[in-house]
Formats: sequence, C-alpha cells, structure tokens
Amino acid sequence: QVQLVQSGGGLAQAGTSLRLSCAGSAFPFSSYALHWVRQAPAKGLEWLAVISDDGSKTYNADSVKGRFTVSRDNSKNTLYLQMDSLTSDDTGVYYCAREWAGAFDFWGQGTLVTVSS
Amino acid sequence: AIQLTQSPSSLSASVGDRVTITCRASQDIGSSLAWYHQKPGEPPVLLISGASTLQSGVPSKFSGRGSGTDFTLTISSLQPDDFATYFCQQFSPYSGPSFGQGTRLEIK
Repeated sequence: QVQLVQSGGGLAQAGTSLRLSCAGSAFPFSSYALHWVRQAPAKGLEWLAVISDDGSKTYNADSVKGRFTVSRDNSKNTLYLQMDSLTSDDTGVYYCAREWAGAFDFWGQGTLVTVSS
Repeated sequence: AIQLTQSPSSLSASVGDRVTITCRASQDIGSSLAWYHQKPGEPPVLLISGASTLQSGVPSKFSGRGSGTDFTLTISSLQPDDFATYFCQQFSPYSGPSFGQGTRLEIK
C-alpha cells in the first residue's frame, strides 16, 4: 500500500537548521507533486511548501519563504525539507503529503520538531 | 491568500445524530475544496475532494456539498469513531493551499 515514511526532526536550538526526509513507496513517486504541512501544538494545519513531480518547480508559504527549501530525489523516492534559521514559531509536527486532485490523499506519519530558544 | 472559515469551532453531538459543518472561503474557489478528519496523534485522513467526491473506502455517511464560497460537510448516523477534528482545505491554482481552523466534534 502507498506509504510515506518520515524521518529527521527532533530538538533544535533557535537559529540552527534541521532537515526532514519523507520516503515514498508503492506508488510512482516521480509522478506526483508533494507537499509539506505543519501543525503547531494544539493548533490547525499550515501548508508550507510544494514541489512539482519532476522537482523543477517549488513554491513556499510566505511564513517560511527564504528559510525553508523543499527538494526531492526521485532516484531515491525521497522528499526533503531543509529548515534554516529556526525559531520557536517553527515548533510543531511536520507532515509530508501527496497531492491528488487538488487534495492530499496520503500523508506521512508526522515528525515532531521542537525549537528551543 | 484565500482564507477558510469553519463553523462551528466545536460541536457536541450524540451517537446516531446527524451533523453539518460549514466552510466559507474568502473568495470563489469553484469546487476546489477537500475535507479531512484527524484524530489526536495521527495525520489527517482525506474524506472528500472536489467539494463532493467521496474518497475510496470512505463510508457514504459522509457527504459534501457546495461551490464558490460556501461548502458543507454532513455526517449522518454518528458513530464513536467519527468523533474527531474536521478540517476543510482549498486548492486554488492562484494561491497556495490553505486550511480551515478546524471543527472539533465531541461526544455529548
């Protein structure tokens, strides 16, 4: 069955960097646009970034523009999120998600990022 | 950016009840609206895309309606497994995706 398995995350100091990974399986990885979405503690969902199926186009939310970079390696079926200049506002659970028909049909299990000041 | 406003923010209902959640967009998004539910500690699960198309495997007790700026999600015959938080999400081609703030459905 379709799976998105996330890794990375954890505890980081403010001002430092982290990289998240999201490995896809059981579907043609290079045929789908992929997204990152986060959820602050006890809050709603915030869309962060998208990358096209071939990796040629990316687009970030204003809240992370210039600090977060989405990329992918289709030879490894893996999506990445490089997070730089972290602040306490970046604390939350981060999800990768597959785009289908204008929605997100499969999600990773989520990974917690905690930024301490 | 397109804002989505859900109402109510929380809702108390009993097993067997029928409930409706509303999602209003700040501008016309056609039918580009999806609904999810989420349980604590788990990722969201897609229920409906394109405002009214049920995802494979989602029971027909869930139904979505609307277009333009006003949308609804109706859940009939509530069961214990349905008590969760529900989110709407828009996918306009002119701006990034965004989510409603969520509706927490609790057992009365």
